[in-house]
Amino acid sequence: DVKVTQSSRYLVKRTGEKVFLECVQDMDHENMFWYRQDPGLGLRLIYFSYDVKMKEKGDIPEGYSVSREKKERFSLILESASTNQTSMYLCASNFRQGMNTEAFFGQGTRLTVV
Amino acid sequence: DQQVKQNSPSLSVQEGRISILNCDYTNSMFDYFLWYKKYPAEGPTFLISISSIKDKNEDGRFTVFLNKSAKHLSLHIVPSQPGDSAVYFCAASAGEYGNKLVFGAGTILRVKS
Repeated sequence: DVKVTQSSRYLVKRTGEKVFLECVQDMDHENMFWYRQDPGLGLRLIYFSYDVKMKEKGDIPEGYSVSREKKERFSLILESASTNQTSMYLCASNFRQGMNTEAFFGQGTRLTVV
Repeated sequence: DQQVKQNSPSLSVQEGRISILNCDYTNSMFDYFLWYKKYPAEGPTFLISISSIKDKNEDGRFTVFLNKSAKHLSLHIVPSQPGDSAVYFCAASAGEYGNKLVFGAGTILRVKS
């Protein structure tokens, strides 16, 4: 059974805190993604990694950074959390090559910044 | 610039009838299209996909149609069931871009019993 696991389901953090969201996949996928979901805006890509130590900015990277030191793990970092970063964060992974590009998602992390 | 658009924020359908969800895209490099279903407080789950070399793919109650000339795809659910009530996201990817997935804004489907 394929799995993408996010470290927390719910998080509450204070404004200005540094926040780490962790994601682990067990499918040997090259690609890993971080999205945020907000009502009416769909899934917006924050960052994308296609290999270890490689990253690419998505549509809304401001205020975020990422780390991919191992193939199976992709971390999202909020350098200084702000209230407008309150959202549902979703991690996903898929293969970089080939036609079967279905992405598998984690269960999501609901982050509230107060 | 939104490359994948779902212009209907919500859709309400009677149980047993057909649900049709629509999606438009602008990037002609996209060669693979997917539909995901999402319940509140859960991650999206893959529903069905279609390659750009096909115009139809069917899986049980779910059928996806692709019209490449119009850059349009649709998801048909027949018959609709109350358990189908969820947010449906359309997504697209291009092998040329390393299969990075681009999502639409989603459509909330409500199936009334």
